[in-house]
Amino acid sequence: GAVVSQHPSRVICKSGTSVKIECRSLDFQATTMFWYRQFPKQSLMLMATSNEGSKATYEQGVEKDKFLINHASLTLSTLTVTSAHPEDSSFYICSARSGGLYNEQFFGPGTRLTVL
Amino acid sequence: AQSVAQPEDQVNVAEGNPLTVKCTYSVSGNPYLFWYVQYPNRGLQFLLKYITGDNLVKGSYGFEAEFNKSQTSFHLKKPSALVSDSALYFCAVRDTGNTPLVFGKGTRLSVIA
Repeated sequence: GAVVSQHPSRVICKSGTSVKIECRSLDFQATTMFWYRQFPKQSLMLMATSNEGSKATYEQGVEKDKFLINHASLTLSTLTVTSAHPEDSSFYICSARSGGLYNEQFFGPGTRLTVL
Repeated sequence: AQSVAQPEDQVNVAEGNPLTVKCTYSVSGNPYLFWYVQYPNRGLQFLLKYITGDNLVKGSYGFEAEFNKSQTSFHLKKPSALVSDSALYFCAVRDTGNTPLVFGKGTRLSVIA
C-alpha cells in the first residue's frame, strides 16, 4: 500500500510554544488529508479535513485558530499546534487519500506530543 | 451520519483458540468497512477491508472478517490466536461519498499463552 510519513515522531515542548507536525504522502498524490487525535486508551477523533489548496474543514469543537492546518501541495500537509498547553498533549495521526479507485485512506505512524 | 460500534472494550483469548472482535456499523448508503490494528505508540496498520464482492474478506496476518448486511456487522476473526496478536483493534466505516473514515472506540485484544 501507499506510504504516509509523519515528522517528528515524538516532540516535547514547553507550554506556550508552537509545534509543527508534517505529514507527507511518499508515493502518491493526496488530494485529501485528514488529521486525527487520539487520547490514551481512546479512539481516533477526526479533527479536520483538508483538500489541497483549500482551507481545512474543522470538526465541531476543534479550534481552528489553535490547530492550524496547511495543505499546500499534493504530498504535504502540516498541523501547527499554536500556544500549546498540557491539555494538547496527545497522539496526532494524519491520513491521506488519493483520488483513486475507492479512495482508500492511508495512515501515518503518528506523532506523540507532550506539552510540559 | 456514519457510526461504528465496538461493544467490547477488552477481549481475552487463549493462544491457539479462535478469536472474534465484534463490530457493527451504521451508514446511509453502501458501506466501506475496514479493520486496523494499533500497537503501543504506533500508528494504524491496515488489516483488511470490504468494499464489494464476497462477504468473507481475508486480510493480513491470518485475519478475516465477514460482512453481514442484514445484521450490519463486520466482525473480525482469526482461527488460531497468537500472543503477538495482542493489540488494539479498530473497526472503521465510510460511505461511498467523499467522507473520512469514522472509527469505533477500539477493542483491546489480549492473547494469553
